[in-house]
Amino acid sequence: AQSVTQPDIHITVSEGASLELRCNYSYGATPYLFWYVQSPGQGLQLLLKYFSGDTLVQGIKGFEAEFKRSQSSFNLRKPSVHWSDAAEYFCAVGAESGGYQKVTFGIGTKLQVIP
Amino acid sequence: DTAVSQTPKYLVTQMGNDKSIKCEQNLGHDTMYWYKQDSKKFLKIMFSYNNKELIINETVPNRFSPKSPDKAHLNLHINSLELGDSAVYFCASSQEGGERIFGPGTRLTVL
Repeated sequence: AQSVTQPDIHITVSEGASLELRCNYSYGATPYLFWYVQSPGQGLQLLLKYFSGDTLVQGIKGFEAEFKRSQSSFNLRKPSVHWSDAAEYFCAVGAESGGYQKVTFGIGTKLQVIP
Repeated sequence: DTAVSQTPKYLVTQMGNDKSIKCEQNLGHDTMYWYKQDSKKFLKIMFSYNNKELIINETVPNRFSPKSPDKAHLNLHINSLELGDSAVYFCASSQEGGERIFGPGTRLTVL
């Protein structure tokens, strides 16, 4: 069974600073990888996904993530954070299970942006 | 156009009551899901339906019963509500092998 770890529960960055949110996964084969964002009181919105191909994936809102097989990681990055990026971020890993894709979510990282 | 919609957005009820949450998707997806998000934001899969057929049922009390009248709808009925059922419930849908598209959530509070 697959699993995903988000080591940082809470991160605070200054507006305009760069951001990196960590995500590590455990799965025997190449997984499907996702990053979602959840603003307060909202549902989860897909930022980006990795299925195969180029290991650097571009997403919405200026985010990108890089799949590193050797480190079992899929870290999310943004070069310059905006106050509106304050939210909860979830990494997720998907894998085939019994003919269907099962997706497991991490516990989330809460991003606080200070002026 | 709302891709995945849920009603109601908020639900406040007494212990022991029975309640339902409705979900509809207009994306033409084959698979729909119910997730529960607890107070610590942990997101856990409850059920998954593919073309109206139950394919995932994760250790959920049998007080929870999903119903899928067609592949665009997946409703969740909860009997004999308990305090521990208080959470945010998310409906989602996906096409085969694709990412989940989530609804806005239903915040259930059991008093």
